[in-house]
Amino acid sequence: SQKIEQNSEALNIQEGKTATLTCNYTNYSPAYLQWYRQDPGRGPVFLLLIRENEKEKRKERLKVTFDTTLKQSLFHITASQPADSATYLCALDMNFNKFYFGSGTKLNVKP
Amino acid sequence: DAGITQSPRYKITETGRQVTLMCHQTWSHSYMFWYRQDLGHGLRLIYYSAAADITDKGEVPDGYVVSRSKTENFPLTLESATRSQTSVYFCASSDQGVNEQYFGPGTRLTVT
Repeated sequence: SQKIEQNSEALNIQEGKTATLTCNYTNYSPAYLQWYRQDPGRGPVFLLLIRENEKEKRKERLKVTFDTTLKQSLFHITASQPADSATYLCALDMNFNKFYFGSGTKLNVKP
Repeated sequence: DAGITQSPRYKITETGRQVTLMCHQTWSHSYMFWYRQDLGHGLRLIYYSAAADITDKGEVPDGYVVSRSKTENFPLTLESATRSQTSVYFCASSDQGVNEQYFGPGTRLTVT
């Protein structure tokens, strides 16, 4: 069955540094991969979508890579700020309309 | 108000009771989804709908029923609630199946 792994341990970094979060998957070859941000008590908010034929995608301070050979996506936040502290979820399409979500990695950015 | 709303926001019910969670979106998005979120499991897809009167099972559909008679509404019914269905439920919508999903604020359901 599909398995998506995100580091369950919180990532603690200093303000201004680059945060790198990892999403690994097995047993499937998704055509699309999405990243979401979730704050406590709220629903996830979409950040970026990357397709299997795109190696990298950027949006302001965010960058996502998608390595279909390694079955891995990396999510980078450059010049991190305390306001970036949240849980970040990756989601992969099982088939065209169904997405599997990882359990998320909590990011703590310290001033 | 524009957006996606869920009601109720909090619900406590007893084992064996039927409960319906409501979801309403104002964008006329074709796709709507129901997820549950539990510690250690992340978000798991329960059911989704590609259009009115078209629904399909997700990863964890057992014990749940959905309907979609109108594009804007996608209710989720627990026919006979069990303690294992205690969770936070999120509804989401999308204009295309693979595009970004817009999530509602969630319903925290407790089954006693």
